[in-house]
Amino acid sequence: AIQLTQSPSSLSASVGDRVTITCRASQGISSALAWYQQKPGKAPKLLIYDASSLESGVPSRFSGSGSGTDFTLTISSLQPEDFATYYCQQFNNYPLTFGPGTKVDIK
Amino acid sequence: EVQLVQSGAEVKKPGESLKISCKGSGYSFTSYWIGWVRQMPGKGLEWMGIIYPGDSDTRYSPSFQGQVTISADKSISTAYLQWSSLKASDTAMYYCARLLKPDGGGMDVWGQGTTVTVSS
Repeated sequence: AIQLTQSPSSLSASVGDRVTITCRASQGISSALAWYQQKPGKAPKLLIYDASSLESGVPSRFSGSGSGTDFTLTISSLQPEDFATYYCQQFNNYPLTFGPGTKVDIK
Repeated sequence: EVQLVQSGAEVKKPGESLKISCKGSGYSFTSYWIGWVRQMPGKGLEWMGIIYPGDSDTRYSPSFQGQVTISADKSISTAYLQWSSLKASDTAMYYCARLLKPDGGGMDVWGQGTTVTVSS
């Protein structure tokens, strides 16, 4: 199975900061990667699909990049509602594994 | 409105069986894969498996193969996740979600989650 690692596992940031989260796959997955945001007690929400495509309705401050094994989720200017846990997921091979998550909290 | 609505919270004893459901509406249920995701208390997301309701093609994560059964009834636009003999370690939140595209892309519509508690 393809393993996904995320870094950092957690970070503290301030409103207005630029935040970057990295997801690395154990083998190449082309662009078959999605990013999700999850808030406590809520279902995950799709932010980015196919590594860099913004899901409809998601603010443009979110962006994704990468292909192969290294991927990045960037929040250009962190907003109060962005404090959450972020997960990547690969769709190249079954099982469709998730990364361990990155928790973004308030500095 | 496209939505997935899951069945309510369950409290069960070890060894009991359980079937939880996920009903789709607002779209062609038979044309999209539906996946199941486990989230244990305070932990991350784990992909369990997926089904294509159009023909019931099903794939499982090796971690869950033989532990659960995924099925669907396309006549009522509902997918299911079932256990024949629950363990305490099955205590978790379970989500169903729709795949955006036939080859994946992302999971764009999520159910609200079903909490399963297994305790003697």
